[in-house]
Amino acid sequence: DVVMTQSPLSLPVTLGQPASISCKSSQSLVHSDGNTYLNWFQQRPGQSPRRLIYKVSNRDSGVPDRFSGSGSGTDFTLKISRVEAEDVGVYYCMQGTHWPFTFGPGTKVDIK
Amino acid sequence: EVQLVESGGGLVQPGGSLRLSCAASGFAFSAYWMHWVRQAPGKGPVWVSRINSDGNLITYADSVKGRFTVSRDNAKNTLYLQMNSLRAGDTAVYFCARGGTGDRWGQGTLVTVSS
Repeated sequence: DVVMTQSPLSLPVTLGQPASISCKSSQSLVHSDGNTYLNWFQQRPGQSPRRLIYKVSNRDSGVPDRFSGSGSGTDFTLKISRVEAEDVGVYYCMQGTHWPFTFGPGTKVDIK
Repeated sequence: EVQLVESGGGLVQPGGSLRLSCAASGFAFSAYWMHWVRQAPGKGPVWVSRINSDGNLITYADSVKGRFTVSRDNAKNTLYLQMNSLRAGDTAVYFCARGGTGDRWGQGTLVTVSS
């Protein structure tokens, strides 16, 4: 299975400041169809996971533009330009290129 | 509005069975891949199975292969997960998710396997 790693695992942030989460995969996430199925999910306390970013850098409908994704191959990043209180939760990267799809361990974002 | 509503969870003894359902509305269910994903208490999500729009392409995680069966009824807009030979390690909230890599998720249903 593809192993996804994230850093940091805990990220205390100041409101209004930027935040960045790194995600690495144990093998390339470039699919044979040419797409890279690296997604980012947000899970707020007590809620279901919500997809924020798909195929590395595409924001899902309704996702604020302060969220952005980048990267290629095996190295990816999620950035929040200015953290707001509603961004508290756990963020997971997830690969949908190789079955079984796998998630990273999660990065817990909270407010300092 | 897209809605996915899971049901059928509960407390079951080891070795027992449960059938989960996921009722879909607000979109063309028959056009989408669908998935089951589970999340054990305090842990991250784990993909369990997926089924294509026609129901003729199905894959499972190794941990459930031979014990779980995913199916769908496109006429009823419903996804199913038949779970047999349940183990303590299957205890989790089970979510259904839509699309290639889960663009919409339900609220989940809790399955507890314990004697």
